[in-house]
Amino acid sequence: AQSVTQLDSQVPVFEEAPVELRCNYSSSVSVYLFWYVQYPNQGLQLLLKYLSGSTLVKGINGFEAEFNKSQTSFHLRKPSVHISDTAEYFCAVSEKTSYDKVIFGPGTSLSVIP
Amino acid sequence: DTEVTQTPKHLVMGMTNKKSLKCEQHMGHRAMYWYKQKAKKPPELMFVYSYEKLSINESVPSRFSPECPNSSLLNLHLHALQPEDSALYLCASSLGPFRSGNTIYFGEGSWLTVV
Repeated sequence: AQSVTQLDSQVPVFEEAPVELRCNYSSSVSVYLFWYVQYPNQGLQLLLKYLSGSTLVKGINGFEAEFNKSQTSFHLRKPSVHISDTAEYFCAVSEKTSYDKVIFGPGTSLSVIP
Repeated sequence: DTEVTQTPKHLVMGMTNKKSLKCEQHMGHRAMYWYKQKAKKPPELMFVYSYEKLSINESVPSRFSPECPNSSLLNLHLHALQPEDSALYLCASSLGPFRSGNTIYFGEGSWLTVV
């Protein structure tokens, strides 16, 4: 079965600084990978996803992620964060051999400091 | 329209009550989901409906009973819940269920408190 690890539970960063949120996964088969964001008291919103092809994926709000198969990683980056990026970020994985059963990592709380 | 609508937004119920959470989408999606999310935790999958049939039940206690009356609606019937069932219940949907990496669209959730 697949699993997802997010190494940093909390990441504080100053406004306009770059940020990287780390995600590693484990699976015995090929996977689809996702990053979702959850703002306070809201549902989850897709930032970006990797299905196949180019390993660099661009998403909404200036975020991008790079799929590294050898390191089984899918780290999320943004070159310059804003206060409005303060939220919980979840990395998620779905095995290609199963239903769209998406398993979420434990989450990383990003706090942008003015 | 990429909206999944959930009602009610907040629900307080006693342990002997029977209540229901409702979810609706009009995106033509054929897969619908219920997730449970505790504070500061990731969502946990409860049920998956595929073409209006229950395809995945993640060993959820029988006090939670899902129902999919048609392709646009998903209900979660609640009966004899425990205080530890208090959580945010998220409904979601995707275009198709099968091995395709479809984007899952989430509603804003129903906050459930069991007293």
